[in-house]
Amino acid sequence: GDSVTQMEGPVTLSEEAFLTINCTYTATGYPSLFWYVQYPGEGLQLLLKATKADDKGSNKGFEATYRKETTSFHLEKGSVQVSDSAVYFCALSEMDSSYKLIFGSGTRLLVRP
Amino acid sequence: NAGVTQTPKFRVLKTGQSMTLLCAQDMNHEYMYWYRQDPGMGLRLIHYSVGEGTTAKGEVPDGYNVSRLKKQNFLLGLESAAPSQTSVYFCASRPSGRATNEKLFFGSGTQLSVL
Repeated sequence: GDSVTQMEGPVTLSEEAFLTINCTYTATGYPSLFWYVQYPGEGLQLLLKATKADDKGSNKGFEATYRKETTSFHLEKGSVQVSDSAVYFCALSEMDSSYKLIFGSGTRLLVRP
Repeated sequence: NAGVTQTPKFRVLKTGQSMTLLCAQDMNHEYMYWYRQDPGMGLRLIHYSVGEGTTAKGEVPDGYNVSRLKKQNFLLGLESAAPSQTSVYFCASRPSGRATNEKLFFGSGTQLSVL
């Protein structure tokens, strides 16, 4: 079945450092890909998404490009802030009529001042 | 706007007790989902519904039942709680439509401990 693999955390960075969180997927067809973020004590919020190969999703300084040839959707940010500390989930949408999301295991990011 | 509301936010059960988690959405969404979140395992789908009166099993349905009698509500039941069901439970919804890039709207979660 479809699956998503994320790099294990936690990832600890200093403020203004460059961030990369790796995500690869296995799927039949061409699913939509997502990054969701979870702040402490809250539910998940959509951070960005991409629908087809070579699409780039972006939001709040975060970016991810849908790479069909490497089945990847890595999350990047050029300069992280303390407020970016959260858990980040990569996900894909099933191509059937359920439209359910398959999530990776999540990566915790801790940004130190 | 309330969005997706889950009740209760916290609950402690003893093994063998039963309970129902309520998810309510006020966005007229067709699709609703129950996920559980466990450390190192991300979110796993328990059950879902593609419309009022419908339910279907997800990845980890054993030990849970669901009902969608009204479009706005999706109930998750534990008939006989087990310690393995200690988890954080999230409800999510999305509007109807065939686009696979529609986002899910999540509730704030229910933290359940089974002793």
